[in-house]
Amino acid sequence: KNQVEQSPQSLIILEGKNCTLQCNYTVSPFSNLRWYKQDTGRGPVSLTIMTFSENTKSNGRYTATLDADTKQSSLHITASQLSDSASYICVVSGHSGYSTLTFGKGTMLLVSP
Amino acid sequence: KAGVTQTPRYLIKTRGQQVTLSCSPISGHRSVSWYQQTPGQGLQFLFEYFSETQRNKGNFPGRFSGRQFSNSRSEMNVSTLELGDSALYLCASSLVRQDSNQPQHFGDGTRLSIL
Repeated sequence: KNQVEQSPQSLIILEGKNCTLQCNYTVSPFSNLRWYKQDTGRGPVSLTIMTFSENTKSNGRYTATLDADTKQSSLHITASQLSDSASYICVVSGHSGYSTLTFGKGTMLLVSP
Repeated sequence: KAGVTQTPRYLIKTRGQQVTLSCSPISGHRSVSWYQQTPGQGLQFLFEYFSETQRNKGNFPGRFSGRQFSNSRSEMNVSTLELGDSALYLCASSLVRQDSNQPQHFGDGTRLSIL
């Protein structure tokens, strides 16, 4: 069964600190992996999309890594800001029978002043 | 460039009623996907429409249906509403199919509450 597991479930960090969120998946065959940021009461916003051949991709203070061999991805946030407080969702594109996208349940990040 | 627009933003219904939600994608986008989001289950895929044809369907009962018009606008219908249908319903559009390497753009959703 295709699954995407994210850890931790929730995280509290101080403003200005760095943090790393994890995503492990079992989706096969693999097409791409996406990270989304979802602010409370808003729809998700795409941060990065990575294909099999990409190991690292950055979007400002957000850097995503992908290890397709171990089926792991991470999202690193540098110099966190209060506006980074949100849910971060990992999504893997593949073929899972019903849907071609498999969603993680997200990591809730709270950046404290 | 206008983003994805969903209407209404909030909706309150009672059990047994039906509801229609609307989604206007970004101009030029041909794929529209619908998702249900609840605190316990996270985001769950409902269906995807591409050029007016349902391309993919998630594991939801037949009470959930949708359609896409020639201008790519899409509607989702839920009949015989149940308490468990209370959720945030999100619509996302993309240039091509949802599983491509192109990003999906989400609307801010319709919050549906069933009493």
